[in-house]
Amino acid sequence: DGGITQSPKYLFRKEGQNVTLSCEQNLNHDAMYWYRQDPGQGLRLIYYSQIVNDFQKGDIAEGYSVSREKKESFPLTVTSAQKNPTAFYLCASTAGWGYGYTFGSGTRLTVV
Amino acid sequence: GENVEQHPSTLSVQEGDSAVIKCTYSDSASNYFPWYKQELGKRPQLIIDIRSNVGEKKDQRIAVTLNKTAKHFSLHITETQPEDSAVYFCAAIYTGTASKLTFGTGTRLQVTL
Repeated sequence: DGGITQSPKYLFRKEGQNVTLSCEQNLNHDAMYWYRQDPGQGLRLIYYSQIVNDFQKGDIAEGYSVSREKKESFPLTVTSAQKNPTAFYLCASTAGWGYGYTFGSGTRLTVV
Repeated sequence: GENVEQHPSTLSVQEGDSAVIKCTYSDSASNYFPWYKQELGKRPQLIIDIRSNVGEKKDQRIAVTLNKTAKHFSLHITETQPEDSAVYFCAAIYTGTASKLTFGTGTRLQVTL
């Protein structure tokens, strides 16, 4: 999948449950990002990481958490504090500033 | 921070006609402007990009123009085909710093037969 893999493709979450979305890349990219996309809307940045063991909040970080223990991996946890988590989640990576992002194929999360 | 506005939100053209999507940005320091195409349920894919030292860039039927003074850039698609139907996003960033790519809200392009 173009060097960046997201799993699962579909995920269902019960009320009050934490769930973790996986993002793995084999592109040797330093920077990784998580975006949320709602129907008919643009991409909103949740968290991003420029280097291992470091990450910054994006525009809508509340109710989400991340870790960056390995260069290849940037998992996103959607916590029970996120009241409206149903959306399409996209992970992306880039070799550095000035390069276009490579996106994963996305995870569609639905609250049941 | 950077703010990117994109117009129109929807665009319908007949096959063979041209389509133009316009974006404006707020941060005069932004120097890299990519465009992404997203088909329904798929990931966004980079289709063309332009840097601030260039005024225009073309790749077959797709072109992007940049007006740094006015802080706007546009995507031009000529001889549109049904497979061009998708959502297109513009974006802007100031490279070389720990900044993030800011996306426009998207334009849904529909190419009709």
